Amino acid sequence: GEQVEQLPSILRVQEGSSASINCSYEDSASNYFPWYKQEPGENPKLIIDIRSNMERKQIQELIVLLDKKAKRFSLHITDTQPGDSAMYFCAASVGGGSNYKLTFGKGTLLTVTP
Amino acid sequence: GPKVLQIPSHQIIDMGQMVTLNCDPVSNHLYFYWYKQILGQQMEFLVNFYNGKVMEKSKLFKDQFSVERPDGSYFTLKIQPTALEDSAVYFCASSLGVNQDTQYFGPGTRLLVL
Repeated sequence: GEQVEQLPSILRVQEGSSASINCSYEDSASNYFPWYKQEPGENPKLIIDIRSNMERKQIQELIVLLDKKAKRFSLHITDTQPGDSAMYFCAASVGGGSNYKLTFGKGTLLTVTP
Repeated sequence: GPKVLQIPSHQIIDMGQMVTLNCDPVSNHLYFYWYKQILGQQMEFLVNFYNGKVMEKSKLFKDQFSVERPDGSYFTLKIQPTALEDSAVYFCASSLGVNQDTQYFGPGTRLLVL
């Protein structure tokens, strides 16, 4: 089955700087790559996603890049704020069929310091 | 955004007892999922469910687990009997399906098996 690697596991940045999280996947059939933010004791919340027909997507300060050849995708948070501090999970899925399931990376604990 | 509800939020039971976790998915969604998250780790796929049937289950979905959604009511995960290693947070998710892959997660049920 699909495996997703996520690095780094811990990331500490200063407010106003950028944060980058990298993920890689194994199954070339994966075509949907969401990113979830999870705060302590809360449910994972989708913050941005990208499908395999795109290489880049931006929503405000969030940028996702997808390199299908290398089977890598990444999340970049520009101008980080203390409110961005949370666990971030990347995931991969083979979408568009009758079986959807998300395979998650192990998560990145982002801390944004003032 | 779309909301998935889960009942109860917490459950403490003795090993060997039965437990039922309830999920109220987004009203027009067609696909339902259960994920298991052990403290500090990522969500791991257990099972997905569509049109009254299990479509796929992972190796974490032991024989003691079952899911159903009788008459469009709650989507339930039943564990009978429970084991110590079943202690985790169980997240329900739902998606619209048919090329709408976004999965929305509920707040989770924190299960502690003693």
